[in-house]
Amino acid sequence: EIVLTQSPATLSLSPGERATLSCRASQSVSSYLAWYQQKPGQAPRLLIYDASNRATGIPARFSGSGSGTDFTLTISSLEPEDFAVYYCQQRSNREVTFGPGTKVDIK
Amino acid sequence: QVQLQESGPGLVKPSETLSLTCAVSGYSISSGYYWGWIRQPPGKGLEWIGSIYHSGSTYYNPSLKSRVTISVDTSKNQFSLKLSSVTAADTAVYYCARPFMVRGVIPTDAFDIWGQGTMVTVSS
Repeated sequence: EIVLTQSPATLSLSPGERATLSCRASQSVSSYLAWYQQKPGQAPRLLIYDASNRATGIPARFSGSGSGTDFTLTISSLEPEDFAVYYCQQRSNREVTFGPGTKVDIK
Repeated sequence: QVQLQESGPGLVKPSETLSLTCAVSGYSISSGYYWGWIRQPPGKGLEWIGSIYHSGSTYYNPSLKSRVTISVDTSKNQFSLKLSSVTAADTAVYYCARPFMVRGVIPTDAFDIWGQGTMVTVSS
C-alpha cells in the first residue's frame, strides 16, 4: 500500500498570501496524483489531476507540480473561499489512498 | 449533468451489515470505467473503501477487504456497498464517486463527481 504524507498539517496564512502544500508518497506514483479541497459539510472538490492538470472550472491560482514521490499544490494568492482542508490522493494498481490532509486557516 | 445520490439507513447496530446504494443519474453506469466508495469519520480524513470496474472486478482497501462487498445493478443504474460486522469505528459519512473523465471519455485516477454523502452511525 502506498502511503501519502502531507505537510504541514496546518498552514496559517492571510488572504492574498501564497500557500504551498506538500504531499509525499512512500513510493513512486509517477504523475498519478490528485488534489482535493474540502469545506465543512461538503464533499471533496477535485482541483488537480495527474499532478499538474486543473480540473474543469478550477481557477488558475491553483497549480500542481511534481512527479515520482514529491508533489506540491500551490495557491498563488489566497482568496477568502480558499480556507479549507486539502487532500492529496493516488491510485496505483487500482488501490486508492488519500493523504491525511492539510488545513489552511486564516491567520 | 451527472449526479450521484447515496441512500441507506442512517443507523446500524454493532455486528450488523451496513448497506448503501448509490443511484447514478445523467450517465449510464455501464459506460463508467470504475466507480468508488469513500468514507470520512467525523472530524477525520478521507478513507477509500473500494472500487468496482466495468469488467465487474472489485478492489478493496486491504484494511476492510474481509468485510466489504461492492456490486453494480445496471438495470437500476446504481451500485452498492455492503460492510459487514460493523463497529463504532465504522461511523462515518459515506460517499460514492465517479472518476474525472478527460474530454468526457478518458478516465483518470481522480474522483470529480461525488454524492452529497450520507452519515451512518453505528450504535445500539
